[in-house]
Amino acid sequence: AQSVAQPEDQVNVAEGNPLTVKCTYSVSGNPYLFWYVQYPNRGLQFLLKYITGDNLVKGSYGFEAEFNKSQTSFHLKKPSALVSDSALYFCAVRESSGANNLFFGTGTRLTVIP
Amino acid sequence: SQTIHQWPATLVQPVGSPLSLECTVEGTSNPNLYWYRQAAGRGLQLLFYSVGIGQISSEVPQNLSASRPQDRQFILSSKKLLLSDSGFYLCAWEKGRPGANVLTFGAGSRLTVL
Repeated sequence: AQSVAQPEDQVNVAEGNPLTVKCTYSVSGNPYLFWYVQYPNRGLQFLLKYITGDNLVKGSYGFEAEFNKSQTSFHLKKPSALVSDSALYFCAVRESSGANNLFFGTGTRLTVIP
Repeated sequence: SQTIHQWPATLVQPVGSPLSLECTVEGTSNPNLYWYRQAAGRGLQLLFYSVGIGQISSEVPQNLSASRPQDRQFILSSKKLLLSDSGFYLCAWEKGRPGANVLTFGAGSRLTVL
């Protein structure tokens, strides 16, 4: 069975500081991993994905994520946070076998403090 | 380019009334289509997906149903709404075999059942 855990409901960070949003996953086979962002009353926007290859994935708006197979983690990072990064962030996983269901974590609310 | 539309954006309905939420995708053919619900808080739950006209798979038994009368149209319905049906409903699409593809989400439909 697939599952995703985002252990932090809320992350606060000062503007200009680095940010990390944590995600761990569980799948039967190889994972496809995704990060999405949601602004208030909007749909989800894709940030980045890991399929295979380099463990460090770079995405939109300066975000990156590191795939760690031994720790089954896919943490989202950004070197310098902006106030406009404040939003709800979702990690998601799908089995590489082609299962339809994209499993989402419960989300982490990021607040960047000016 | 491809776009996804959902309507209505906001809906307030009494308990026991019917529901119809519509989702259409433009600029592509034979997409995989998905309905997710985001309950108060944040978690995303897959409700239905469809890989073709008339083909509907349900992930969770509930008071809702889905239909795909045309290639790029996906409808979420209920005959009698319950209070627990309140939430933010998100439609999404992808092209090709499920797996590494990115799901693209609509702007969502917020349903309040009173």
